Amino acid sequence: DIQMTQSPSSLSASVGDRVTITCRASQSISRYLNWYQQKPGKVPKVLIYAASSLQSGVPSRFSGSGSGTDFTLTISSLQPEDFATYYCQQSYSTPWTFGQGTKVEIK
Amino acid sequence: QVQLVQSGAEVTKPGASVKVSCKASGYTFTSYAMHWVRQAPGQRLEWMGWINGGDGDTKYSQKFQGRVTITGDTSASTAYMELSSLRSEDTAVYYCARVVLVVAASGYYYYMDVWGKGTTVTVSS
Repeated sequence: DIQMTQSPSSLSASVGDRVTITCRASQSISRYLNWYQQKPGKVPKVLIYAASSLQSGVPSRFSGSGSGTDFTLTISSLQPEDFATYYCQQSYSTPWTFGQGTKVEIK
Repeated sequence: QVQLVQSGAEVTKPGASVKVSCKASGYTFTSYAMHWVRQAPGQRLEWMGWINGGDGDTKYSQKFQGRVTITGDTSASTAYMELSSLRSEDTAVYYCARVVLVVAASGYYYYMDVWGKGTTVTVSS
């Protein structure tokens, strides 16, 4: 199975901050990497697919980059509604696997 | 609008089985795959398997092989996930999620675009 490791596991940031979350795969997954946002008690929501494609309806302050084993999710200017847990997920091979999540909290 | 409606919460005993349903609406059930993902309390999301809505082909995570069965009823636009030989570690929220295929010059990309609200399964003696 491909292991997905995110860093950091949690971070504290202020509204307006630029936030970067990284995700590393245990082997090359090309660009088969998706990012999801999950708020407490809510369903995951896709933000980015294919490493850097923005899902329709997602604000442009979210962006993704990377290929191979190293990926990043960037929030250019953190908004109050962005406080949540973010997961990366590989779709290169089954079983699809997720990172452990990065919890973004209010500083 | 596209919607996945899951069955209600279940409380069951170790060794028993549970079957969760996921009724799709707002799109053609046979044109998409349906995946199942679970999330134990405080844990990461965990992929369990999927079914091709068109031909019923399935694939399961090796972790659940032999215990999980995913089926589909195209006439009812409903997918089902049955998990057997339940143990306390199976206590989790179980989600169904529709998977979209995007074809690009660089490859075929899949992601989960619509999720059910989740079904809480509690395994306790």
